[in-house]
Amino acid sequence: AQTVTQSQPEMSVQEAETVTLSCTYDTSESDYYLFWYKQPPSRQMILVIRQEAYKQQNATENRFSVNFQKAAKSFSLKISDSQLGDAAMYFCAYRSYNTNAGKSTFGDGTTLTVKP
Amino acid sequence: DGGITQSPKYLFRKEGQNVTLSCEQNLNHDAMYWYRQDPGQGLRLIYYSQIVNDFQKGDIAEGYSVSREKKESFPLTVTSAQKNPTAFYLCASSILARTDTQYFGPGTRLTVL
Repeated sequence: AQTVTQSQPEMSVQEAETVTLSCTYDTSESDYYLFWYKQPPSRQMILVIRQEAYKQQNATENRFSVNFQKAAKSFSLKISDSQLGDAAMYFCAYRSYNTNAGKSTFGDGTTLTVKP
Repeated sequence: DGGITQSPKYLFRKEGQNVTLSCEQNLNHDAMYWYRQDPGQGLRLIYYSQIVNDFQKGDIAEGYSVSREKKESFPLTVTSAQKNPTAFYLCASSILARTDTQYFGPGTRLTVL
């Protein structure tokens, strides 16, 4: 079974600075997807970024980018120019391409605080 | 606007009662999902459905039931057999189960009194 580990329960960053959130996962599969979701106090889960495992190029969405290291099974999220609105809980998620098609596995989350 | 709606936002249940949480989507997505979130934890999959009239158990299906009679609707019933149902419940959908990103509804907070 796949597992997803977020080793940082809490992180903080100064406004306008850069922060990196860590995620590692365990799988024996070669084809899969990885996601970062943001959950603000409203508790609505919002997709931040998505990475297909077959793509070597790291995904980028504006101020958000990932460092995907397939061999190391690492998928970190970098937030540049942090804003107060970035404060939220961030979840890393794994999704198989081939098996258990409907199942995503989530980490336990990292709570990000942004200091003004 | 297209999206996923969940109702009610807050729900209170007495022990021994069954309750049903609603999830509706107008995104024309084939696949729908139910997750449970406990404080300080990630999401755990309860049930998912890839097509109408078909659904599969997730990791924590015991004490829950679902139906998928219409493409846009995927209600979740929390039965009295669920021993610790107080949690936040999130519904999600995706175009296809295998490949696509899941989009989430706003959630329902269930509290057992």
